[in-house]
Amino acid sequence: EIQMTQSPSSLSASVGDKVTITCRASQSVSGYLNWYQQKPGKAPKLLIYSASSLQSGVPSRFSGSGSGTEFTLTISSLQPEDFATYYCQQSYMTPLTFGGGTKVEIK
Amino acid sequence: QVQLVQSGTEVKKPGASVKLSCKTSGYTFTSYVIHWVRQAPGQRLEWMGWIHAGNGNTKYSRKFQDRVTITSDTSASTAYMDLNSLRPEDTAIYFCAREQQLHNDYWGQGTLVTVSS
Repeated sequence: EIQMTQSPSSLSASVGDKVTITCRASQSVSGYLNWYQQKPGKAPKLLIYSASSLQSGVPSRFSGSGSGTEFTLTISSLQPEDFATYYCQQSYMTPLTFGGGTKVEIK
Repeated sequence: QVQLVQSGTEVKKPGASVKLSCKTSGYTFTSYVIHWVRQAPGQRLEWMGWIHAGNGNTKYSRKFQDRVTITSDTSASTAYMDLNSLRPEDTAIYFCAREQQLHNDYWGQGTLVTVSS
């Protein structure tokens, strides 16, 4: 099973800040890495797929990069609606696995 | 528009079974795979398995393989997840999600399952 490790587990930031979240895989997942945003009591929402492709309808302030074992999600200018928990997911092999999440809180 | 609507909250006793539904609309049901993912309180998302709604092929996580069955009813455009031998640690929100080329683009709203004596 591929282990996914996110860092940090939480962060505090202000509106307008640039935020970067890292996701590391225990073995290569090639480019099969997705990012989701989850708000309390809601289902996850797809932001980025295949490491760097922006899902339709997602604001362009979200971007993803990386390949192999190290990936990043960047929010270029944090907005009030971006305060949430972010998860990475590898879809390279089953069992599909998720990172532990990064909670982005208001500073 | 694509929608996945899940069945309502369940409360079960240890040892019981639960069958959850995921009714889809707005797309060709048989052309896609449906995944089931759960989230225990304060925990990360956990993948349970998938079904190809068209041909009925399934793939399960080894963790749940002995206890889970995922099925689909093409006439109702609905997927189901049956989990047996429930234990308190199965208390979680269970999500269904459509797969689009190895990512989950649409999700159901989730179903809370509570297992308690």
